[in-house]
Amino acid sequence: DIQMTQSPSSLSASVGDRVTITCQASQDISDYLNWYQQRPGKAPKLLIYDASNLETGVPSRFSGSGSGTDFTFTISGLQPEDIATYYCQQYDNLPLTFGQGTRLEIK
Amino acid sequence: QVQLVQSGAEVKKPGASVKVSCKASGFTFTTYGISWVRQAPGHGLEWMGWISAYYNNTNYAQELQGRVTMTTDTSTSTAYMELRSLRSDDTAVYYCARDRNPLETTATTSAYWGQGTLVTVSS
Repeated sequence: DIQMTQSPSSLSASVGDRVTITCQASQDISDYLNWYQQRPGKAPKLLIYDASNLETGVPSRFSGSGSGTDFTFTISGLQPEDIATYYCQQYDNLPLTFGQGTRLEIK
Repeated sequence: QVQLVQSGAEVKKPGASVKVSCKASGFTFTTYGISWVRQAPGHGLEWMGWISAYYNNTNYAQELQGRVTMTTDTSTSTAYMELRSLRSDDTAVYYCARDRNPLETTATTSAYWGQGTLVTVSS
């Protein structure tokens, strides 16, 4: 199975800050990577697909980059509603695997 | 609009089975695959498997092989996930999720999610 390692596991930032989360795959997954947001008590929501494509209706402050084994997710201008846990997920190989999640809090 | 509405919470004893339903609307059910993902309390997301009504095909996570069965009923646009021989570590919220793109031949990106079904396994 492909292991996905996210960092940090948690972070605290202020409204307006730029926030970056990284995700590393245990092998080359090309750009077969998604980013999901999960607010407390809610289902996950797709934000970024194919490593860098913004899902329809998702605010442009969210972005993703990377290919191969190293990926980055960025929020440019943190908003209060961005409080959530963020997960990367690879779909290069079955089983699909998720990172362990990054819990984002507002200072 | 696309909707996935899941069945209600369940409480089961160890060794029992549970069957969770996921009723779809707002799209052509047969042309999109459905994944099932679970989340134990306080833990991350775990992919369980995927089913395509179009290709009549399933993929299951290795560790659940033999205990899980995913099916569809195209007459009611409903997907089902049955998990047998339940253990306490099967306690989780179970989600169904629809593929982003039609006619995928395997699990890829999930763009629409059900609201989740809490399954509690306790004696």
